[in-house]
Amino acid sequence: DAKTTQPNSMESNEEEPVHLPCNHSTISGTDYIHWYRQLPSQGPEYVIHGLTSNVNNRMASLAIAEDRKSSTLILHRATLRDAAVYYCIPPWFGNQFYFGTGTSLTVIP
Amino acid sequence: GAVVSQHPSRVICKSGTSVKIECRSLDFQATTMFWYRQFPKQSLMLMATSNEGSKATYEQGVEKDKFLINHASLTLSTLTVTSAHPEDSSFYICSARSGGYQETQYFGPGTRLLVL
Repeated sequence: DAKTTQPNSMESNEEEPVHLPCNHSTISGTDYIHWYRQLPSQGPEYVIHGLTSNVNNRMASLAIAEDRKSSTLILHRATLRDAAVYYCIPPWFGNQFYFGTGTSLTVIP
Repeated sequence: GAVVSQHPSRVICKSGTSVKIECRSLDFQATTMFWYRQFPKQSLMLMATSNEGSKATYEQGVEKDKFLINHASLTLSTLTVTSAHPEDSSFYICSARSGGYQETQYFGPGTRLLVL
C-alpha cells in the first residue's frame, strides 16, 4: 500500500494559518492525493483532493509539489472546529485507501 | 451533496449473535463501497471493497465468512458480523465512491458495535 509520512501532532493559534505537510513519495503518476479529517467517534470528513496543480475550496487549499511526492494542506484561518486528526491518502492503484496515523491538530484559543 | 448514512449508529449485542449494519449513499449512486474498522486510538483499517453486483474483495486477515458484505444496489451496502464476539467490538465505518479512480470517497458517520 502507498506510504505516507505526516507529523504526529501540530498546534496552531486560533485565526492563524496552518500548514499540514504530508510526504507520499510512492504515489503513482495518475493517483490523486486526498485529504480528510476526523473528529472522535465520527466518520472521516472530506476536505480536498488534487492531482497536480494547487487546489482550493471553501474549506482549505492544497499545495502539491511539482514532483508530487509531497503536499501541504493549508487552513487559512484555523478555528476551534478545525481541531481534528488530518489524514492525507494517496490511493492504492487509484482505488483503496490505506490510512496512516495522520496529524492531530490542536487549535489554541 | 455526497451524503452517506449508516444504520444503526450504535448497537449492543450478545456474544454469538449476528449484527447487520447498513450503509446508504443518499444523493448519489455508489459504484464502489468500502468498509473500515477502527479500534480506539487507532487509525481506520480497510476491511473490504465491494462493487455493485459483485462479490466483495477482502483485505488480508479479514475473514470473509465472518464479515459478510452485500452490495445489492447502487445505493446500499450491508455488513453482517456473524457470530459476533467481544473482540469484534469496534467502530465500523463505510464509504462510497460515485465514479472512477479520480473521484473521492465519502464516509458515513460510523456504527459503534459493542459485543457483550
